Amino acid sequence: DSGVTQTPKHLITATGQRVTLRCSPRSGDLSVYWYQQSLDQGLQFLIQYYNGEERAKGNILERFSAQQFPDLHSELNLSSLELGDSALYFCASSPGTILRETQYFGPGTRLLVL
Amino acid sequence: AQKITQTQPGMFVQEKEAVTLDCTYDTSDQSYGLFWYKQPSSGEMIFLIYQGSYDEQNATEGRYSLNFQKARKSANLVISASQLGDSAMYFCAMREPQMDSNYQLIWGAGTKLIIKP
Repeated sequence: DSGVTQTPKHLITATGQRVTLRCSPRSGDLSVYWYQQSLDQGLQFLIQYYNGEERAKGNILERFSAQQFPDLHSELNLSSLELGDSALYFCASSPGTILRETQYFGPGTRLLVL
Repeated sequence: AQKITQTQPGMFVQEKEAVTLDCTYDTSDQSYGLFWYKQPSSGEMIFLIYQGSYDEQNATEGRYSLNFQKARKSANLVISASQLGDSAMYFCAMREPQMDSNYQLIWGAGTKLIIKP
């Protein structure tokens, strides 16, 4: 158990819908990262938050947004869902932002868009 | 250009044998970090081992060790005495400084390792 929690574990929804994925980082970690893992694109970095502020953006679509709340949990919002958004979405956390910090991953949310 | 290359899409290894999973990387930075993660069929991503570009010794963690060859830009994972539970996808990832001083993980495509009894 990495100490990072994600809910829900599975999500099935329809195209055009909106969903929210939730992540609680390990105790004491200030950085939260979101990754998408799909069969055709592999693992891709989406976005990072550090202590409530957006720190870095990767290949995140405009239909996707995220935030980190004062209690450091984070939510990833996916809207106008398309079939291609079906993927495993990971949240990871680390204490800060230094190079050698390990990112610990949550169990992931498996999203299926029908 | 690929930043992280894992040339072995899949490998079969006999139980108790050692296995080497290849990873080569591309960076112009002097300071970077290399990580290996394991993803079993259940889906979770498990951190295995870290090697910093300035670390003088190769990293070791139990049965895992990293064969780090900086000049060749390779960071191969070695698993000694493989076990059935080692069957999983293995990902090599690199963290390098970005323009905004943040350090994102860049991932290889992974190697699927199957341990045969």
